[in-house]
Amino acid sequence: EPEVTQTPSHQVTQMGQEVILRCVPISNHLYFYWYRQILGQKVEFLVSFYNNEISEKSEIFDDQFSVERPDGSNFTLKIRSTKLEDSAMYFCASGQIGNQPQHFGDGTRLSIL
Amino acid sequence: AQKVTQAQTEISVVEKEDVTLDCVYETRDTTYYLFWYKQPPSGELVFLIRRNSFDEQNEISGRYSWNFQKSTSSFNFTITASQVVDSAVYFCALIGEQDNAGKSTFGDGTTLTVKP
Repeated sequence: EPEVTQTPSHQVTQMGQEVILRCVPISNHLYFYWYRQILGQKVEFLVSFYNNEISEKSEIFDDQFSVERPDGSNFTLKIRSTKLEDSAMYFCASGQIGNQPQHFGDGTRLSIL
Repeated sequence: AQKVTQAQTEISVVEKEDVTLDCVYETRDTTYYLFWYKQPPSGELVFLIRRNSFDEQNEISGRYSWNFQKSTSSFNFTITASQVVDSAVYFCALIGEQDNAGKSTFGDGTTLTVKP
């Protein structure tokens, strides 16, 4: 069964550094998402992406965050200048239609030191 | 605004007991979609079920069953004859019809511990 793959599984970065989290969505999916889960808390929506542009973003997704689909297969989340509070598990998800179940990747655990 | 409430923060049962996880939702949309996900200790999110708002038929899949009641805005999840491997955090989630982008609103999750 096709899967959403995320790399790396764990990223450790110094505060203030830029980090790029990578995702390969399922190939025939059209909707792409990033979610964040701070340790022990619920999963929070960050951003959705459709037709090469952001469809919706949450208030968490400020100017430090950006997303890109650089080559038609990868979907990336960039955090420009990381803060301690960015430490979390980041999940990528993709779906064929907006209201269909989203397939989640296994997540990237981001630790900011 | 949409909201999903999972009032049970933690539940602990002994193996073979039945357990029900509660989910109550709020939405102004007349059409919406409800989901349950399982998050085992390894951290990934595993899709369990999707239910449309216009389909109130209950569903059973092996030891899992779901009870959807629009009148009480609830979508409860029951595990029959629980097993240790059922230990995980379970999330209920909602996507509203107006949300063409498909943003999922998650509940806070219920941590289920099944003891041998």
